[in-house]
Amino acid sequence: GIQVEQSPPDLILQEGANSTLRCNFSDSVNNLQWFHQNPWGQLINLFYIPSGTKQNGRLSATTVATERYSLLYISSSQTTDSGVYFCAGAYNQGGKLIFGQGTELSVKP
Amino acid sequence: DAGVTQSPTHLIKTRGQHVTLRCSPISGHKSVSWYQQVLGQGPQFIFQYYEKEERGRGNFPDRFSARQFPNYSSELNVNALLLGDSALYLCASSPDPSSATIYFGEGSWLTVV
Repeated sequence: GIQVEQSPPDLILQEGANSTLRCNFSDSVNNLQWFHQNPWGQLINLFYIPSGTKQNGRLSATTVATERYSLLYISSSQTTDSGVYFCAGAYNQGGKLIFGQGTELSVKP
Repeated sequence: DAGVTQSPTHLIKTRGQHVTLRCSPISGHKSVSWYQQVLGQGPQFIFQYYEKEERGRGNFPDRFSARQFPNYSSELNVNALLLGDSALYLCASSPDPSSATIYFGEGSWLTVV
């Protein structure tokens, strides 16, 4: 089955700093997504990005499907960016999502 | 419009007991999936339901079961609770099983003592 690995596992930033989170996946996926889990446990969709690059405000993501990795960029980080970031992929459209172990981000004021 | 709603939000059960968790999807969404998230790990897929039929099952024992109702809401049942079942249980809603549009509820925190 597909495996999803994320790095780094933990990241501490000073407010205003930039960061890059990485997701490697072991097999072809056609539903690569990034999520942010807030301290209360809710998972929020950030990007659906099976390939290419997307941007949403200070966040952007790039997936290179042929090389089986995806990157999430956070620029000018804010304390509200703190939480755990997950990438997840699926074998088929929708369906069972396989999550990575997450990157726990802490942004200090 | 309401998002994905789950109940209860928190509960404590004793080993050996049974628990039922409930989920109401976003209006118009017909597919519901359940995930278990143990502390410090990513969510793990348990079930997916669509139009009241099971469309997928993760690697969980038969103590875990689920069903979907005609109004597309869903229940997750866990029998003979073990300490290791303590986790955040997440429900996800999507228009159909093939949709990449997926929304999660806030989860039900289960503690087994």
